Amino acid sequence: DAKTTQPTSMDCAEGRAANLPCNHSTISGNEYVYWYRQIHSQGPQYIIHGLKNNETNEMASLIITEDRKSSTLILPHATLRDTAVYYCIVRRYAGNMLTFGGGTRLMVKP
Amino acid sequence: DAGVTQSPTHLIKTRGQQVTLRCSPKSGHDTVSWYQQALGQGPQFIFQYYEEEERQRGNFPDRFSGHQFPNYSSELNVNALLLGDSALYLCASSPGLAGGGVDEQFFGPGTRLTVL
Repeated sequence: DAKTTQPTSMDCAEGRAANLPCNHSTISGNEYVYWYRQIHSQGPQYIIHGLKNNETNEMASLIITEDRKSSTLILPHATLRDTAVYYCIVRRYAGNMLTFGGGTRLMVKP
Repeated sequence: DAGVTQSPTHLIKTRGQQVTLRCSPKSGHDTVSWYQQALGQGPQFIFQYYEEEERQRGNFPDRFSGHQFPNYSSELNVNALLLGDSALYLCASSPGLAGGGVDEQFFGPGTRLTVL
């Protein structure tokens, strides 16, 4: 599976949009981009995934560039409860293991 | 509908001992994966079980072994514990390798193992 690069940490003001970037320049055509987050002392939580089209669900939006070499997770109205470590993962197919990197530590501030 | 459950929540062992951690998958899920998360790091894949067999394995020594039962629940066993085995052990379940679709993994809250 392709490797991902994320900033170590980011801050966001409460109520504003949080935009978390991820670089996956070596991604293959059949690899999906997944986002998980981990709130302190809890197990990781699935957020969203996509292949090449932009995706939106009740939690977030995922914007994937046309060349698929990078993506951005958008939390439209960040709250204090969104403070967590966010992991961008590239994964080949169903059932394959998740390879977690260091993630981005997002701090939402009042 | 209960999600993924793990037991115990916390565990303290001494070096050289053996430990067994347990996981019950989310209802309808038949694939279980185990991850180790050291303090300050992302989770690392240990192995995955499907149809009571180990299907994939990460870079962990043979001291780490597992089992899956007919009801899809799973155990993680670690023998000859080392100080470095202290970590949060996470179990994740998913709909299954035979699904063909792109499934998401649901994680349990983890078992915090401390080796003294």
